Amino acid sequence: EAGVAQSPRYKIIEKRQSVAFWCNPISGHATLYWYQQILGQGPKLLIQFQNNGVVDDSQLPKDRFSAERLKGVDSTLKIQPAKLEDSAVYLCASSLVDGFNQPQHFGDGTRLSIL
Amino acid sequence: DAKTTQPTSMDCAEGRAANLPCNHSTISGNEYVYWYRQIHSQGPQYIIHGLKNNETNEMASLIITEDRKSSTLILPHATLRDTAVYYCIVRSAGAQKLVFGQGTRLTINP
Repeated sequence: EAGVAQSPRYKIIEKRQSVAFWCNPISGHATLYWYQQILGQGPKLLIQFQNNGVVDDSQLPKDRFSAERLKGVDSTLKIQPAKLEDSAVYLCASSLVDGFNQPQHFGDGTRLSIL
Repeated sequence: DAKTTQPTSMDCAEGRAANLPCNHSTISGNEYVYWYRQIHSQGPQYIIHGLKNNETNEMASLIITEDRKSSTLILPHATLRDTAVYYCIVRSAGAQKLVFGQGTRLTINP
């Protein structure tokens, strides 16, 4: 079974530029999550999708971050404009069904550096 | 979300059992204990989870105390590849998101 795929693996941009990350979840997984992991900290949830609908985006800085999941499969996370504090690893995860007894499976993330 | 307390770091000799403790004294009756680990430059990897009973899979064993206020993750024969940050997470009923703490940095020494 293929895991969660993310691209790009690394991205370097200057502040105020825009950037987008892509995630392809495990086949058949209805729930998709985006997490932000700042160096030295544990991951923090940004947004959760159930199929193509948003379940929780309470921690997403909506003035600069946006995410979509068209057709309930792939997802993109965008930052526009980027700030220095956005330097982090952006992790995508997916789980089989909506429920708290299903483990989430993570991709290896996109490491974003803001100059 | 219930909070967990883990030691900041631990060391273990290769080939020995690694026992990672976690305190979750405010856990509720329908909350699960999940363990993940994160190897350098990789995403978190699911290890195991449990509610009340002890659980075992091909990676590890999870021992939950009878009062559910603490648990121990056991890696029976640690290898150098088990060096990672290990996160103990209590997952709230009705909430799907994982709330990560600082975790335990486990170093396996040759």
